[in-house]
Amino acid sequence: DTAVSQTPKYLVTQMGNDKSIKCEQNLGHDTMYWYKQDSKKFLKIMFSYNNKELIINETVPNRFSPKSPDKAHLNLHINSLELGDSAVYFCASSQATARNTIYFGEGSWLTVV
Amino acid sequence: AQRVTQPEKLLSVFKGAPVELKCNYSYSGSPELFWYVQYSRQRLQLLLRHISRESIKGFTADLNKGETSFHLKKPFAQEEDSAMYYCALSGWGGKLIFGQGTELSVKP
Repeated sequence: DTAVSQTPKYLVTQMGNDKSIKCEQNLGHDTMYWYKQDSKKFLKIMFSYNNKELIINETVPNRFSPKSPDKAHLNLHINSLELGDSAVYFCASSQATARNTIYFGEGSWLTVV
Repeated sequence: AQRVTQPEKLLSVFKGAPVELKCNYSYSGSPELFWYVQYSRQRLQLLLRHISRESIKGFTADLNKGETSFHLKKPFAQEEDSAMYYCALSGWGGKLIFGQGTELSVKP
């Protein structure tokens, strides 16, 4: 009965590879997000989608491309991985875009070697 | 500018001692503020939001608009409170703007 689930939980890959992280929510929420937690544990939003439409794109490199096939799914594809992409990526969802509680997934630990 | 500041990176207390994790914000308008907690290698979980005025796991937080603060308090810390605590502000589009986080360590 996991509310926001993302896969894989751990991912180790070489520089230059392309990888995807998948996210699904079963809360019936309209809005989904991707957040990045860096090595200093700082959290910053990357993207948000509302009903499959891109709402927020926070100056993220073009190598990162989110895709939302439906409002319950928001996947993150990363091209040409770099060492600096190593981080924990959290998927999240909320009922709507305005001032609602955001629920997070368990995180995907990405290590680029 | 919308900003959240948590001045303490690490806070270490003994079990049974009072705890206060500081949070200051910058926001024009009526802010919506949250505290999230992250236990080791787990997801972020909502601890409190200011409009609910609830006490969760013994923690409380009061919004002080004059001081633009939303400090998190607990009168008696427990070892299981050891975790990373994030103060967050709801910004445009519903996104959360996080503070830098404070790691709370409760020693026996």
